[in-house]
Amino acid sequence: QKEVEQNSGPLSVPEGAIASLNCTYSDRVSQSFFWYRQYSGKSPELIMSIYSNGDKEDGRFTAQLNKASQYVSLLIRDSQPSDSATYLCAVVNRGGSNYKLTFGKGTLLTVNP
Amino acid sequence: DTGVSQDPRHKITKRGQNVTFRCDPISEHNRLYWYRQTLGQGPEFLTYFQNEAQLEKSRLLSDRFSAERPKGSFSTLEIQRTEQGDSAMYLCASSLSTFEGTGAEAFFGQGTRLTVV
Repeated sequence: QKEVEQNSGPLSVPEGAIASLNCTYSDRVSQSFFWYRQYSGKSPELIMSIYSNGDKEDGRFTAQLNKASQYVSLLIRDSQPSDSATYLCAVVNRGGSNYKLTFGKGTLLTVNP
Repeated sequence: DTGVSQDPRHKITKRGQNVTFRCDPISEHNRLYWYRQTLGQGPEFLTYFQNEAQLEKSRLLSDRFSAERPKGSFSTLEIQRTEQGDSAMYLCASSLSTFEGTGAEAFFGQGTRLTVV
């Protein structure tokens, strides 16, 4: 089983809609969860971090974490064409003093005008 | 700009040559990560430093790859005897550990795109 799994997409939504991106992880001791946005040919850009169960909102973005289900999601409200990118889910697994940051393959989001 | 800096941005090399990449993390960041990314894939973990200590190296990484972080500041990634399969974007990220039990946000540099011909 892969450590971090995402639906590769593509996910296509109309402008103004809510985009929902999902991620599951395999290691129950995972502690920290991140969402990155990556435009084609560019490096990943951190957009959200979440550490405890529940929702965390930042502008049009909401991250949701459910540790019991080993599930983390990202909602993008009022999607804009500029949100079209690949969204990467990342998880920190702690083993001793080791804080390894592991990524999923990413979900390609297309927002259609 | 005090973000993560990587050099060079692009590198074209002939198969069999050695290459070295440099990463300057955000100052005061004690964790530094190297990743490799190919088209359509997420960043693949290569290795990770906490200060000057290399705490983990991917089992997928061949002996041709080596990384250093002298004095816990900048880091270098060297690939010896490059192969065409090494062509990829090499990404460096840094983060600051704040307290036990959490992994702090990691910020990426612009990456070094390696092409092996």
